[in-house]
Amino acid sequence: AQKITQTQPGMFVQEKEAVTLDCTYDTSDPSYGLFWYKQPSSGEMIFLIYQGSYDQQNATEGRYSLNFQKARKSANLVISASQLGDSAMYFCAMREGAGGGADGLTFGKGTHLIIQP
Amino acid sequence: NAGVTQTPKFRILKIGQSMTLQCTQDMNHNYMYWYRQDPGMGLKLIYYSVGAGITDKGEVPNGYNVSRSTTEDFPLRLELAAPSQTSVYFCASSPIASGGPDTQYFGPGTRLTVL
Repeated sequence: AQKITQTQPGMFVQEKEAVTLDCTYDTSDPSYGLFWYKQPSSGEMIFLIYQGSYDQQNATEGRYSLNFQKARKSANLVISASQLGDSAMYFCAMREGAGGGADGLTFGKGTHLIIQP
Repeated sequence: NAGVTQTPKFRILKIGQSMTLQCTQDMNHNYMYWYRQDPGMGLKLIYYSVGAGITDKGEVPNGYNVSRSTTEDFPLRLELAAPSQTSVYFCASSPIASGGPDTQYFGPGTRLTVL
């Protein structure tokens, strides 16, 4: 079974609208971390936001927030007031275990977000 | 701070050739990683290292080797290049988590084509 599932291969959104990018995960480990990365057409990987499995509050970073529903094993990224510069690939990723990040991340296949003027 | 740097940016190899992808970080991070990204896909872990002298296999290690002689450097070696190794290769590093996120910081990537 896939550990990270992103069901939206592509999305078109009007500028200034809010966007929700879906991510579900699968793990039996009680300790894990969830990450979202942005990859613009230039190719670099840009860290956006992190949610730990024991965090009580949903993570927020500026226009980015993470809608963390632990029982559903979902970690959706919400971008408020989208901008043209938000057009990019977005990847959800998970680190399992309490090893402090040693074991690397498992990535989903990504969602290609296009913001239209 | 340069962060994570990778060289070269682009490379074309012939089948059977070998090469080393270089990765250096100046953030004094203990953990370093190599990933590959095939077209239209997410990243997959090739090898990782938790410190100098210690390396371990990730999800897709076949055809690759790594070494970690210093904290800063984590080169990836391809011994006998095959077309299936055509991909974009990313190096990343992260600090040991101490109550906060163990965020991985990525280099700009190396685009490798094997013909």
